Amino acid sequence: AQTVTQSQPEMSVQEAETVTLSCTYDTSESDYYLFWYKQPPSRQMILVIRQEAYKQQNATENRFSVNFQKAAKSFSLKISDSQLGDAAMYFCAYRARYNNNDMRFGAGTRLTVKP
Amino acid sequence: KAGVTQTPRYLIKTRGQQVTLSCSPISGHRSVSWYQQTPGQGLQFLFEYFSETQRNKGNFPGRFSGRQFSNSRSEMNVSTLELGDSALYLCASSPGTRNTEAFFGQGTRLTVV
Repeated sequence: AQTVTQSQPEMSVQEAETVTLSCTYDTSESDYYLFWYKQPPSRQMILVIRQEAYKQQNATENRFSVNFQKAAKSFSLKISDSQLGDAAMYFCAYRARYNNNDMRFGAGTRLTVKP
Repeated sequence: KAGVTQTPRYLIKTRGQQVTLSCSPISGHRSVSWYQQTPGQGLQFLFEYFSETQRNKGNFPGRFSGRQFSNSRSEMNVSTLELGDSALYLCASSPGTRNTEAFFGQGTRLTVV
């Protein structure tokens, strides 16, 4: 069964600094997607970044980038130049490309940004 | 494009009642998934519908059911509500047949008293 683990329940970062959120996953599939979602107090899950497992290049979206290590089944999110608006719950998610197409989520990491 | 719309945003029900939640996906999206989010269990998959057919189902009792209409709008129903059903119910839509990212609505907060 596919599982997603986020070992950091809470993280804190100073405004303008860089923070890395960790995520590991377990799967026997070879083709899948990995995602980071942000859930602010408004509750809506917002897609931050997406990585396709067959792509070796790490995905980047402005201040957000990932470190995808397929062999280690690790998928960390780096937020650069942190802003107050980055404060939220961050969820790592996995979705197989073809089979069992439900999305599996980690428990989440609550990120606090200090001014 | 309008995003995923869920109605109602908040709901209070009594134990034993039933409830129906609605989700309108992004225009053109044919896949709709439902998730339950609670502080204790986190985000758990309920079911997914694609072209009016249930394509996948999570590990929830039969009291939880859903359907999808020809316009891709989806409803989920919970019968004989229990206190433990209190949760945020999230709906997500995806573009098509290949599994890609999901776009979420703002959720329906259900409180069972």
